[in-house]
Amino acid sequence: DAKTTQPNSMESNEEEPVHLPCNHSTISGTDYIHWYRQLPSQGPEYVIHGLTSNVNNRMASLAIAEDRKSSTLILHRATLRDAAVYYCILRDEDSNSGYALNFGKGTSLLVTP
Amino acid sequence: NAGVTQTPKFRVLKTGQSMTLLCAQDMNHEYMYWYRQDPGMGLRLIHYSVGEGTTAKGEVPDGYNVSRLKKQNFLLGLESAAPSQTSVYFCASKGRYSNQPQHFGDGTRLSIL
Repeated sequence: DAKTTQPNSMESNEEEPVHLPCNHSTISGTDYIHWYRQLPSQGPEYVIHGLTSNVNNRMASLAIAEDRKSSTLILHRATLRDAAVYYCILRDEDSNSGYALNFGKGTSLLVTP
Repeated sequence: NAGVTQTPKFRVLKTGQSMTLLCAQDMNHEYMYWYRQDPGMGLRLIHYSVGEGTTAKGEVPDGYNVSRLKKQNFLLGLESAAPSQTSVYFCASKGRYSNQPQHFGDGTRLSIL
């Protein structure tokens, strides 16, 4: 499976934008870029995913580099509730693998008032 | 709508004991997964199922067995618990289409003495 590289931790001030980077230089043409986050003492929750084009939803935006070797998750206005571990995951779209997710260590985001 | 429910939430076992963790989903999802998460680490896939009556091994299947006799339930069994299996166990489910995300339960915290 293609792997991703994320910073171990980042810090942001409340109500400011946050840009969480992810490098995936060995991404293949069939890999989608998925982002999940895990709040303290909870299971992970889906944030956003994309293939080539930038994506927006109510939680965040995903900016994908033109060569697809990196991407950035953007939280437009961080709140204290956004403090979590954010995982950038490449997922093979081959259904025979069960669409399983390969979690790394992620980026621990600290949001300060 | 309960989503993904894991039972029990906490359990302490002695080495050599057996137990079964239950995962139930009410979203009529085809895919179900069992992950484990050790302190400071990301989630690792133990076993998964692509449909009722089918199971497959993930990254760390040794010491665990699973069954998917009903579509809504996915059971994880430990036949002879070992201290190395002390972890937080997460269950997830996913719909049949590739772009549907995984939905996670709140986890089962298992300690083996």
